[in-house]
Amino acid sequence: EIVMTQTPLSLPVIPGQPASISCRSSQSLLDNDDGITYLDWYLQKPGQSPQLLIYALSYRASGVPDRFSGSGSVTDFTLKINSVEAEDVGVYYCMQRIEFPYTFGQGTKLEIK
Amino acid sequence: QVHLQESGPGLVKPSQTLSLTCTVSGGSFSSGDYYWSWIRQLPGKGLEWIGYINYSGMTYHNPSLESRVTMSVETSRNQFSLKLGSVTAADSALYYCASVHMLRGMDVWGRGTTVTVSS
Repeated sequence: EIVMTQTPLSLPVIPGQPASISCRSSQSLLDNDDGITYLDWYLQKPGQSPQLLIYALSYRASGVPDRFSGSGSVTDFTLKINSVEAEDVGVYYCMQRIEFPYTFGQGTKLEIK
Repeated sequence: QVHLQESGPGLVKPSQTLSLTCTVSGGSFSSGDYYWSWIRQLPGKGLEWIGYINYSGMTYHNPSLESRVTMSVETSRNQFSLKLGSVTAADSALYYCASVHMLRGMDVWGRGTTVTVSS
């Protein structure tokens, strides 16, 4: 199965400052047939279900603020928040869905300093 | 707006079968663009994808769960179900169902249901 590795695992951030989370996959997530990179980002806020933030590498899900952005290629990916707000606290997961079984990263816990 | 709701017993005895149902409302359950997934979260841990089923009953499950997983769909009720056999305490977790769009990923999640395996 494809192994997803996130760094850092803990991320303290001052409100208004940028934040960045890295995710690396053990295999390419680029589908050469359709050109889509099957890498998504999810946020699990405290006490809530995970919610989709970014899909297919860089597309923001409906209702997601534009301070969130996804980038990267092949096996190295980044989620960026350009100005962290208090409501952004929680655990961020990357997930690959280019092949079964889908696999998640370990999660990165973002907290406010 | 699609809404998903998990239901099922919160307590299961060891060696028995865990059975959960997810009811889908507000959307097209039979859309070929979607399939329906189960994910679980062990206490204090990350997320583990269990498997998926589509509206016609095609399934795939995580090999880590070996042959203990069975999934089914009841289109007339807009429901899909998960059965996990021979459970142990290690299967105690928060179980989520989610809709998976072929492009957009897991775009809607249920609130989750906690299952404890204990005698």
